[in-house]
Amino acid sequence: GDSVTQMEGPVTLSEEAFLTINCTYTATGYPSLFWYVQYPGEGLQLLLKATKADDKGSNKGFEATYRKETTSFHLEKGSVQVSDSAVYFCALRNNNDMRFGAGTRLTVKP
Amino acid sequence: DTAVSQTPKYLVTQMGNDKSIKCEQNLGHDTMYWYKQDSKKFLKIMFSYNNKELIINETVPNRFSPKSPDKAHLNLHINSLELGDSAVYFCASSQARGGFNYGYTFGSGTRLTVV
Repeated sequence: GDSVTQMEGPVTLSEEAFLTINCTYTATGYPSLFWYVQYPGEGLQLLLKATKADDKGSNKGFEATYRKETTSFHLEKGSVQVSDSAVYFCALRNNNDMRFGAGTRLTVKP
Repeated sequence: DTAVSQTPKYLVTQMGNDKSIKCEQNLGHDTMYWYKQDSKKFLKIMFSYNNKELIINETVPNRFSPKSPDKAHLNLHINSLELGDSAVYFCASSQARGGFNYGYTFGSGTRLTVV
């Protein structure tokens, strides 16, 4: 079945550092890919998405490119802030069901 | 206006009790979901309803029963609560009609603690 694998955390960075969180997927057909963010005590929020190969999703300085050849959708941000501290989930949707990765906790220190 | 609202936000109850969690969405979406998030943040789909019809029913104990009176509401009833049911439960909604390019909108969660 469809699945998502993302890098294990936790990830700890200093403010203004470059962020990469790796995500790879296994799916039949042509899934849509998503990144969600969960701040402490809150639900998941959609951060960005890409619906076909080579699409780039971007939002709030974060971006990810749908790479079909490597079945990847890595999340990047050029300069993280303390306020980016959260858990990040990679996900794919291939039918009526969204499959989530295990989540990566990011902590950004001043 | 809250898009997906869940009540209650916190629920502490004793083993063996029966409890319900309510969820409502005002986005006009046609599909609603229940997810369980464990202490390690792993998200597991429990149920999915499309226009009041059950379409996903993962391997969940039959003590858990979803009820959808209309497409804007999906409630979760849990019988004979056990310690292992302690988790955060999230309701979500999405649009499925027209394809699967849409993301989900999540509620803020219900933290269930069984003592």
